[in-house]
Amino acid sequence: DAGITQSPRYKITETGRQVTLMCHQTWSHSYMFWYRQDLGHGLRLIYYSAAADITDKGEVPDGYVVSRSKTENFPLTLESATRSQTSVYFCASSRSGPYNEQFFGPGTRLTVL
Amino acid sequence: QKEVEQDPGPLSVPEGAIVSLNCTYSNSAFQYFMWYRQYSRKGPELLMYTYSSGNKEDGRFTAQVDKSSKYISLFIRDSQPSDSATYLCAMSSILTGGGNKLTFGTGTQLKVEL
Repeated sequence: DAGITQSPRYKITETGRQVTLMCHQTWSHSYMFWYRQDLGHGLRLIYYSAAADITDKGEVPDGYVVSRSKTENFPLTLESATRSQTSVYFCASSRSGPYNEQFFGPGTRLTVL
Repeated sequence: QKEVEQDPGPLSVPEGAIVSLNCTYSNSAFQYFMWYRQYSRKGPELLMYTYSSGNKEDGRFTAQVDKSSKYISLFIRDSQPSDSATYLCAMSSILTGGGNKLTFGTGTQLKVEL
């Protein structure tokens, strides 16, 4: 199906474990984004990518690593998960240009015990 | 101080009411102003966007921007139970390379009661 998908949809892990959240889009959008959504903070940008092999930090990048070897995939890795990283994670994509809509995936609900 | 401030609610109104949702912002570099709607356990979806000061209407929804006051609003007329959702304002600034970075408000939870 065309669109933007995330996997897994739900994940429970333990403190200190490595976790990778996957994001895949079929539109060939150049830009991809990772956000986290927490009560009282709204959506905050973690990392973004302008194209394959081009990534940059957002507002809250500490503790996260991203890569983008292919245009359609943008995985987010928590190298050593902490309880403060319990959140709902959204991936988004958009075309380049002065204004283009960001399309969001369905989210991954991550719990770190 | 956050760059974008939004009252989190919750806001509960009867069906048919006019709803007013508001955000203020502090960054003059913001160029586009958006409203996203997010249903429970779903991703946000773009509802409306505007560029200039003034009003933009789309069906029962009107987006209003006042750049001089750094204030944006979303009005929903004849509200329906299906409008029950969280409404997020978002402001965009240009990224190096031509993309847009969005800064979101915390979202206002709206419930429209029968």
